[in-house]
Amino acid sequence: AQSVTQLDSHVSVSEGTPVLLRCNYSSSYSPSLFWYVQHPNKGLQLLLKYTSAATLVKGINGFEAEFKKSETSFHLTKPSAHMSDAAEYFCVVSVSTNAGKSTFGDGTTLTVKP
Amino acid sequence: GAVVSQHPSRVICKSGTSVKIECRSLDFQATTMFWYRQFPKQSLMLMATSNEGSKATYEQGVEKDKFLINHASLTLSTLTVTSAHPEDSSFYICSAIGISGRRGSSYEQYFGPGTRLTVT
Repeated sequence: AQSVTQLDSHVSVSEGTPVLLRCNYSSSYSPSLFWYVQHPNKGLQLLLKYTSAATLVKGINGFEAEFKKSETSFHLTKPSAHMSDAAEYFCVVSVSTNAGKSTFGDGTTLTVKP
Repeated sequence: GAVVSQHPSRVICKSGTSVKIECRSLDFQATTMFWYRQFPKQSLMLMATSNEGSKATYEQGVEKDKFLINHASLTLSTLTVTSAHPEDSSFYICSAIGISGRRGSSYEQYFGPGTRLTVT
């Protein structure tokens, strides 16, 4: 079984300040973890992924995430928020033993204030 | 261009009619495709898993006779919403996993851009 919990449904930051979106996962096997971003009325865009290589993963647009097995976490961070970062963010877990089926978190809405 | 495409991007239909949505992997062969639906301001809900050449596997609570899935080739899966009703209005998203070694060897899913279905 696998599950993912996004700890914050809404996060609001000021432009230029750091972003932290929290994600905890549960998995019986070694997971692959992903962060996706979705802008209004748009599809999903992959920000970054963890697949058992380096635990600190760098993604697009300055985002990065650190896989911490001991804490079962995969939090998404960015040093300095831009207005264009305002969107919905999804943390996703999948395991190869589950035929690649992915489980989505409920999402975190990021608001960036000028 | 997009790795996975969906057609149409938007469709409006009348209640009682059927609508077909296509999902294509453009530059790789997809052994498995997934269909999701997303209600406004909610997360994606997996509807079914589509494997090429076999019957789709539906998630609990999803009516297989209402949401017909066909995966006739390694690059195309279709979702047909039969006898659509207003409550079927949603954003439908497909994703594809490639044959290992080329795409998706880490079971990364490549998502289509989504189809907005409105049933009037």
